[in-house]
Amino acid sequence: EAGVAQSPRYKIIEKRQSVAFWCNPISGHATLYWYQQILGQGPKLLIQFQNNGVVDDSQLPKDRFSAERLKGVDSTLKIQPAKLEDSAVYLCASSFPPRAYNEQFFGPGTRLTVL
Amino acid sequence: GQSLEQPSEVTAVEGAIVQINCTYQTSGFYGLSWYQQHDGGAPTFLSYNALDGLEETGRFSSFLSRSDSYGYLLLQELQMKDSASYFCAVESTTDSWGKFQFGAGTQVVVTP
Repeated sequence: EAGVAQSPRYKIIEKRQSVAFWCNPISGHATLYWYQQILGQGPKLLIQFQNNGVVDDSQLPKDRFSAERLKGVDSTLKIQPAKLEDSAVYLCASSFPPRAYNEQFFGPGTRLTVL
Repeated sequence: GQSLEQPSEVTAVEGAIVQINCTYQTSGFYGLSWYQQHDGGAPTFLSYNALDGLEETGRFSSFLSRSDSYGYLLLQELQMKDSASYFCAVESTTDSWGKFQFGAGTQVVVTP
C-alpha cells in the first residue's frame, strides 16, 4: 500500500513570495490533515478535511494560508505571502475512518525555508 | 482551550525502562495517542487510548487515566533505535469529528 505522498520535499523562498505544497493521501482515506512543525516543537494542526469539507481550520492563518481538497482526494496548501516565521516542515497526514482507532499516517513533509 | 504537558527530554541507557508522562487539559476529551518521530522523519503512530487502563504493544505500553487527565508511554528494553522524539496527542470532540492537538514532544536519548 502506497503511503502519503508530498511534494516538493524542500523549498527555499524569499519572504513575500508565494509557495504551494501538494499532498496525496492513502487511497480511501477520507480525513486529511495539514500540520506545521517548527523545529523543536510538536506538529500544529492547520486544517483538517473530511472528504472535501473543512472540519477544523481554527489555527490556519487565513490572511496568508489557504488550502483546498477539491475532489476529496489530493490537497494543496498555499502560503501567500510568506513570512520568515513560516519556516517549518509542513506535514500532511491522512486517516480512515475519521473516528475509529485514529491512527494518522504522515507523509515525509515539505521543509520550507523562508529567507 | 487545550493544553498538554510532557517532559522535554529523557536520557536512559540501553536495556532500561523509560516512562514519558503526559498531562492534558481539554474539553470534550475523546482519546490520547502517542507518536514517534526520528530526526528528519515523519511521525509514526504508536498507540491510542480512549478508555482507562494499559495498552501493550510489544516493548511499548500506553496508559490512560481519564479522571486524572493523565497518560504515559512506557518504553521497555530500550534500544539505540528508540532514540527519537515522542509526542502525545489529544483528540477532543465538540461535534461529529475529532480534533487533534500534539504536545511539544519528549526527546528520548538512549546511551550505550
